[in-house]
Amino acid sequence: QSALTQPASVSGSPGQSITISCTGTSSDVGSYNLVSWYQQHPGKAPKLMIYEGTKRPSGVSNRFSGSKSGNTASLTISGLQAEDEADYYCCSYAGRNTVVFGGGTKVTVL
Amino acid sequence: QVQLQESGPGLVKPSETLSLTCAVSGGSIINYYWSWIRQPPGKGLEWIGYIYYSGITNYNPSLKSRVTISVDTSKNQFSLKLSSVTAADTAVYYCARIYGGDWYFDLWGRGTLVTVSS
Repeated sequence: QSALTQPASVSGSPGQSITISCTGTSSDVGSYNLVSWYQQHPGKAPKLMIYEGTKRPSGVSNRFSGSKSGNTASLTISGLQAEDEADYYCCSYAGRNTVVFGGGTKVTVL
Repeated sequence: QVQLQESGPGLVKPSETLSLTCAVSGGSIINYYWSWIRQPPGKGLEWIGYIYYSGITNYNPSLKSRVTISVDTSKNQFSLKLSSVTAADTAVYYCARIYGGDWYFDLWGRGTLVTVSS
């Protein structure tokens, strides 16, 4: 069970759109529509932003959207804002009642 | 609303057992899955395992030999024990709720830092 692969960092200017990729295998991301995304500000607990690949919990801005193609899931943040600067983690169901996280991506708003 | 609160020693000696408890308030522990997740300083998240309120458990294969998660429905809390700890187990430990069978974590505790050191 290996960690999902995310870019270490992604940056963008206010108002731009950025996309964070999350690459797994046919045993996890590719087999299930059960990818979730979490936002973590320094010193804080992670916060659920996307679940089941594309769904947003109540209260999460519609600037956040999720998608999947093959073994890669993606999180897109549109209309980037200063408050979006944080670490982002993907997570996928990996079969046999286990989950696996990605290594995390640091988003910087320039 | 439902809140989770981790508690336990912040310092554990090498080779000893780390023990943490997560108290669930504002709602029942019944009918949900509950999980432990950790994050070493400056690093990413690692799933440790889960427990269903009935006591069914499953663990990360990489930690399985050292982990025990238990539940006490009368106290509305669940616990983590990690044996034979080393410095590599130093981390912030989070408890979280898994929503239904959809394998996402919708509620998190604030986390508690556990340092392994003599």
